[in-house]
Amino acid sequence: EAQVTQNPRYLITVTGKKLTVTCSQNMNHEYMSWYRQDPGLGLRQIYYSMNVEVTDKGDVPEGYKVSRKEKRNFPLILESPSPNQTSLYFCASSPAGGTEAFFGQGTRLTVV
Amino acid sequence: AQKVTQAQTEISVVEKEDVTLDCVYETRDTTYYLFWYKQPPSGELVFLIRRNSFDEQNEISGRYSWNFQKSTSSFNFTITASQVVDSAVYFCALSEERYGGSQGNLIFGKGTKLSVKP
Repeated sequence: EAQVTQNPRYLITVTGKKLTVTCSQNMNHEYMSWYRQDPGLGLRQIYYSMNVEVTDKGDVPEGYKVSRKEKRNFPLILESPSPNQTSLYFCASSPAGGTEAFFGQGTRLTVV
Repeated sequence: AQKVTQAQTEISVVEKEDVTLDCVYETRDTTYYLFWYKQPPSGELVFLIRRNSFDEQNEISGRYSWNFQKSTSSFNFTITASQVVDSAVYFCALSEERYGGSQGNLIFGKGTKLSVKP
């Protein structure tokens, strides 16, 4: 089954404790992205990747890191999480020129 | 700069009413792509439609229809005979030509929350 898998689905952590949210897709897609969703703000892109070893900042990259060492994986790293990073996070993948993006189920992160 | 505006924050209708969700976009590209997504209360994002800037034909899919007008930079979404299951947040989004229409880099509107009451 074609899918984008995010883990964990829910996470509560403390300020400053490094964490990684994993994202994996099984469709051999070139494009992968991370978005965060906040009430009243919609979804905003954090980082995106057009292919292996090619990443670029989106609209709200501060406080986040990503890597794309393999085509299927695109982890989101929060080196020192802060409460303003409490949000719902979505990973997405899409083929180049594709007609549909596949979104993961979302990760609800709370930083206390 | 690219931007997507969904002016309607929340809409409430009674079942069987028709409802139109507005979407206005801004882009300097001549080639671009527009999308609609549905986010039901369960939270996942469901793809509804993609439209490229050269295709201004309206599209109908069951009770859903989309009206794309380049002259007004709008891509509105109409649900005919709404049902309770249509209750969700709906997002309009824009992708630029340089991404080849891929949804790898989407600019989202802030969403419209639709509540359909029985």
